[in-house]
Amino acid sequence: DGGITQSPKYLFRKEGQNVTLSCEQNLNHDAMYWYRQDPGQGLRLIYYSQIVNDFQKGDIAEGYSVSREKKESFPLTVTSAQKNPTAFYLCASRRNGVFGVYGYTFGSGTRLTVV
Amino acid sequence: AQTVTQSQPEMSVQEAETVTLSCTYDTSESDYYLFWYKQPPSRQMILVIRQEAYKQQNATENRFSVNFQKAAKSFSLKISDSQLGDAAMYFCALLIQGAQKLVFGQGTRLTINP
Repeated sequence: DGGITQSPKYLFRKEGQNVTLSCEQNLNHDAMYWYRQDPGQGLRLIYYSQIVNDFQKGDIAEGYSVSREKKESFPLTVTSAQKNPTAFYLCASRRNGVFGVYGYTFGSGTRLTVV
Repeated sequence: AQTVTQSQPEMSVQEAETVTLSCTYDTSESDYYLFWYKQPPSRQMILVIRQEAYKQQNATENRFSVNFQKAAKSFSLKISDSQLGDAAMYFCALLIQGAQKLVFGQGTRLTINP
């Protein structure tokens, strides 16, 4: 079955460390997204990519970096510059269509905790 | 800028009853899409229903239906015959045609009482 796989499910980071969250999709979707979820704030967009080797900043990109070397993969690195990284991170993808907009497909998320 | 507001942080309903979750949005665009997503305790985001702004007819998916009031910029979700499995966080979201960013509301936590 097609879908989005995020790993790991839980991740612990020490102060000053960089960590990378994995996101892989086998849906042949063109666009991929990273969202951050905090209690009471809904989901906020960190980065997105419409095609391979191209990506754009979202609303809260500071302290994060991404790459898109393959269509299937869109890893997110949480750097030491991110002051409050403890959150739930969701990856999503979307198929670009000419006959309307398709809903996003989401992964199951990664819970990142700073220890 | 687009915004989505869900004014009900929490709602509860008796099993088999009907509940309506509210959502208002703001955009100056005329071509857009609205969505309701469900996030159960597993935290997987699941698409419940979507509505194209150009369609006057309200979308329905089995027990789920929406009341789309374009002039009022309102997009409420009605869940009929509530079931225990409907308990979850529900997010309203807006996507402008041609844009990339799905804008979410703050969410409404729905509890189903047996």
